[in-house]
Amino acid sequence: DGGITQSPKYLFRKEGQNVTLSCEQNLNHDAMYWYRQDPGQGLRLIYYSQIVNDFQKGDIAEGYSVSREKKESFPLTVTSAQKNPTAFYLCATSGQANEKLFFGSGTQLSVL
Amino acid sequence: RKEVEQDPGPFNVPEGATVAFNCTYSNSASQSFFWYRQDCRKEPKLLMSVYSSGNEDGRFTAQLNRASQYISLLIRDSKLSDSATYLCVGEASYGNKLVFGAGTILRVKS
Repeated sequence: DGGITQSPKYLFRKEGQNVTLSCEQNLNHDAMYWYRQDPGQGLRLIYYSQIVNDFQKGDIAEGYSVSREKKESFPLTVTSAQKNPTAFYLCATSGQANEKLFFGSGTQLSVL
Repeated sequence: RKEVEQDPGPFNVPEGATVAFNCTYSNSASQSFFWYRQDCRKEPKLLMSVYSSGNEDGRFTAQLNRASQYISLLIRDSKLSDSATYLCVGEASYGNKLVFGAGTILRVKS
């Protein structure tokens, strides 16, 4: 079954804790992206990767980190430096940069 | 100025109505444009790509106006199930990436 798998669906973070959101794809897409969405707002780009072992900061990278060790996987870590992490996080892929995006089902992160 | 701007709405329309959304963009060199649909707390799903010559898919028509730098989405014969947030997407001015508008809310009522 081809697609993008994000996990977990819901995640709770304690103050000072780092948490990692998983994104796996079997579409053989080169490009992967992480977006953050706050209620009533559009999607803001956190990080993106156009090829394995390379990634770039998006518009709101502070307090986040990523890795791209495998083509299929692009995990996002929300660090303790991110003071307002409560949001809906979306992972997306595309065949190449600026092509149409395909999205995972999202992770809702909340702070305890 | 935001790179992609949309009227947030909400647009409240009766079933069967025709409704149009516009979206302005600032990157005159942008080649890729898309419309996505997003239901509450779900992931966005591609509705249509937008081509230079305009394109139609059933009740949906997308158009690109390069002179005025906007794209539009026309929905004919609105259905209750069309109620959602519609996101327009274009290319960022810097970096090889896409940028989203904040979305337009559509509510179709019986």
